[in-house]
Amino acid sequence: GENVEQHPSTLSVQEGDSAVIKCTYSDSASNYFPWYKQELGKRPQLIIDIRSNVGEKKDQRIAVTLNKTAKHFSLHITETQPEDSAVYFCAASNYQLIWGAGTKLIIKP
Amino acid sequence: GAGVSQTPSNKVTEKGKYVELRCDPISGHTALYWYRQSLGQGPEFLIYFQGTGAADDSGLPNDRFFAVRPEGSVSTLKIQRTERGDSAVYLCASSLAGAGDTQYFGPGTRLTVL
Repeated sequence: GENVEQHPSTLSVQEGDSAVIKCTYSDSASNYFPWYKQELGKRPQLIIDIRSNVGEKKDQRIAVTLNKTAKHFSLHITETQPEDSAVYFCAASNYQLIWGAGTKLIIKP
Repeated sequence: GAGVSQTPSNKVTEKGKYVELRCDPISGHTALYWYRQSLGQGPEFLIYFQGTGAADDSGLPNDRFFAVRPEGSVSTLKIQRTERGDSAVYLCASSLAGAGDTQYFGPGTRLTVL
């Protein structure tokens, strides 16, 4: 079955700097890769997703890249702001979502 | 339109009791998913419905867990003989079609088994 690994588990960056979170997956049949942001006590919120026929996708300060050959995908947040502080999860799917363990992103003022 | 809703938001029960957790998906979404999330971890897949049928229930941990979706809309997750280890946040998500579609999550039900 699918296995998703996510690194780092905690990431602390200065406000205004960029943050990068990386994930690897094992099942080459996975074709959909969403990223969710979860604030404490709240539901996961989709922030960006990418499908296997695309290598990169960008939405304002957030971008995701996918390398199908290496089976890894990354989330990039530029110009980080205090409200970006949260736990970020990657996931891989061909129908059920298999989640990474999460990255706690801390933005230092 | 309304998002995914779940009731109750919190449920406290005693070990050995039976509980039901309800999920109302986004109207028109044919796929519905249940996940369980323990503190500090990512959601863990439990079961996936396509319409009224369970397309994949491989994530249910044991036969104390059961879920239904009799009319292809609302779903109920049922847990018999609850154990302390069942304590977690139970999340429901729905998507428009199914495989590979964006999943939208409900607020979750926090279950505490004493």
